[in-house]
Amino acid sequence: QKEVEQDPGPLSVPEGAIVSLNCTYSNSAFQYFMWYRQYSRKGPELLMYTYSSGNKEDGRFTAQVDKSSKYISLFIRDSQPSDSATYLCAFLDTGRRALTFGSGTRLQVQP
Amino acid sequence: GAVVSQHPSWVICKSGTSVKIECRSLDFQATTMFWYRQFPKQSLMLMATSNEGSKATYEQGVEKDKFLINHASLTLSTLTVTSAHPEDSSFYICSAPDRSSYGYTFGSGTRLTVV
Repeated sequence: QKEVEQDPGPLSVPEGAIVSLNCTYSNSAFQYFMWYRQYSRKGPELLMYTYSSGNKEDGRFTAQVDKSSKYISLFIRDSQPSDSATYLCAFLDTGRRALTFGSGTRLQVQP
Repeated sequence: GAVVSQHPSWVICKSGTSVKIECRSLDFQATTMFWYRQFPKQSLMLMATSNEGSKATYEQGVEKDKFLINHASLTLSTLTVTSAHPEDSSFYICSAPDRSSYGYTFGSGTRLTVV
């Protein structure tokens, strides 16, 4: 079983749609949960991070963590063409210090 | 916020030559730098962890003699791909812990093409 599972997509939605991106994980040592956005041929940039179960909102983005199910989600409201990118879930085991990434979901928002 | 400057952004080299990639932390001290490799449509895979002033720690399956990492100062870490081959063609990205948040700051990446 892979440590992190993420649907690679591509996911194509019309502008203004609500987007739901998800990851499941198997490592109980993961303590911090993050979402990164990566544009083509660029380094990832941090969108959201959280360390507890529940929801965290920042503008159009909501991160949701369910530790009991080992499941995290990122919701994007009122999606824009500029949101078109690859979204990577990432996990931190504080003992290891390095991030473990999902394979990324490619999102395309159609104008 | 914290910035990691990575150079070059792309490089094409001949098979058998060596390529050096630099990552500089511009406004903070990076005692640790993580080096990742990313193949097309795949996730970032950790290659090695470098700590300032000490030897790098390599992940299983990564050849330490092929991927030389130097972290001689708190603001500079380098990755040298020695005797590069076409299968080393990939996107290489560095990352350092950002003490201002729980996030990690990434360089902009280097696309290496070995011909």
